[in-house]
This record gives sequence, C-alpha cells and structure tokens, in this order.
Amino acid sequence: GDSVTQMEGPVTLSEEAFLTINCTYTATGYPSLFWYVQYPGEGLQLLLKATKADDKGSNKGFEATYRKETTSFHLEKGSVQVSDSAVYFCALSATGGSYIPTFGRGTSLIVHP
Amino acid sequence: GAGVSQSPSNKVTEKGKDVELRCDPISGHTALYWYRQRLGQGLEFLIYFQGNSAPDKSGLPSDRFSAERTGESVSTLTIQRTQQEDSAVYLCASSLALAGAAGELFFGEGSRLTVL
Repeated sequence: GDSVTQMEGPVTLSEEAFLTINCTYTATGYPSLFWYVQYPGEGLQLLLKATKADDKGSNKGFEATYRKETTSFHLEKGSVQVSDSAVYFCALSATGGSYIPTFGRGTSLIVHP
Repeated sequence: GAGVSQSPSNKVTEKGKDVELRCDPISGHTALYWYRQRLGQGLEFLIYFQGNSAPDKSGLPSDRFSAERTGESVSTLTIQRTQQEDSAVYLCASSLALAGAAGELFFGEGSRLTVL
C-alpha cells in the first residue's frame, strides 16, 4: 500500500540555519505530494504541494521538489525563524484510488533564537 | 464557522465507557475525513464521508468504532467500550468534494482521548 517515510525528529536548529526534512514515499500511480504544518495549539494546515514530477512547491520560504526518480519530496528552507517551530507532515494522495491522503509520522522542528 | 471545529478538545474516560467525538466541518465542504494519531505515530486513516455516504470504512480499527454524518454537516465518531489502546488524538478534516488528489484538507485541532 501507499506509505510515507519522514526523518525522525526533533530537529533542533538555531535561527537562520538551513533546514532539510527528508520525505520519501511509496505509491502506485502518480501521486500528488504535500507538506502540512501544525503550529502549537493549531490544526494541520497545508504548507505546499506538487502534483507532478519535477514540480516545485513553495510557500513562506519553504520549498520541496517532486523527485520521481528518487521517490522523494524533501522540505527545505534557507533560513529558519523561531516562528517556524512546528510539526511538519509529509503526505501523498495517489491517483487511481480514493484520493485519501496518506501521512507520515510528522517531524518536530525546534528553532532557537 | 470559519474553520473545522472539533469537540471535546480533551476527553478522559474510564476503560469500558463509550465516547462520542464531534466534528463540524467548513460549510460547503462535502468531504469529511477522520484520522487518528497515536503518540509518536503518523496519521492513521479511519473513515471518510462524501456527503452523507461513507464509501470506505476499511480504516475503522474494530466494530467498536462507528461514525455517522447527517445533513452533509456535522459528523460524530463513536467509540464503544473504550480500551486503553484507543488513547490518541482524533483529527477531523474537510475538503471540497474529493479534493485529496491535488486539493487541500482543512483540519480541526483534534480531540485528545485518554482512556484510563
């Protein structure tokens, strides 16, 4: 079945550091890929998405590129801020099925001043 | 309301008791999803509704779990005879039709269930 694997957290960084959170997937067909973010005390919200190979999703300084050859969708940001501290979830939604999104475990990011 | 609303936000119950969790989706969203998140684990799909119909109930962990949705709005997830392994955060999300393929799910803040 479909699955998403994320790097384990927590990831702890200093402000202005470079961020990478790895995500790889297994899916039939050609899935759409997503990153959701959950800030403390809030619900998950969509951060960015990509719907086909080589697409790059971007939002709020975060980027992720859909790499079909490596089945990956790694999240990156060049300079993190304290306000980026949150839990990040990678997800996929496969075509040919019911489109029910499959989520990874989530990766906690802690950014120190 | 402006977003997806879930209640209660926290529920502590004794083993063997029944619990009801409620989800009020964004107005106009025809698709509604329930997920469960156990500590340290990913989101586990439970069930989704398209309108009032639940085409896929395969994610429900056991026959102690049931869900219903009336009037294309509020949904209730019921857990009967709760067990300690049911302790988790139960998340509800809604979307426009079957938006999962390339669309966006809108999540509530979740209901944290603790079974003693």
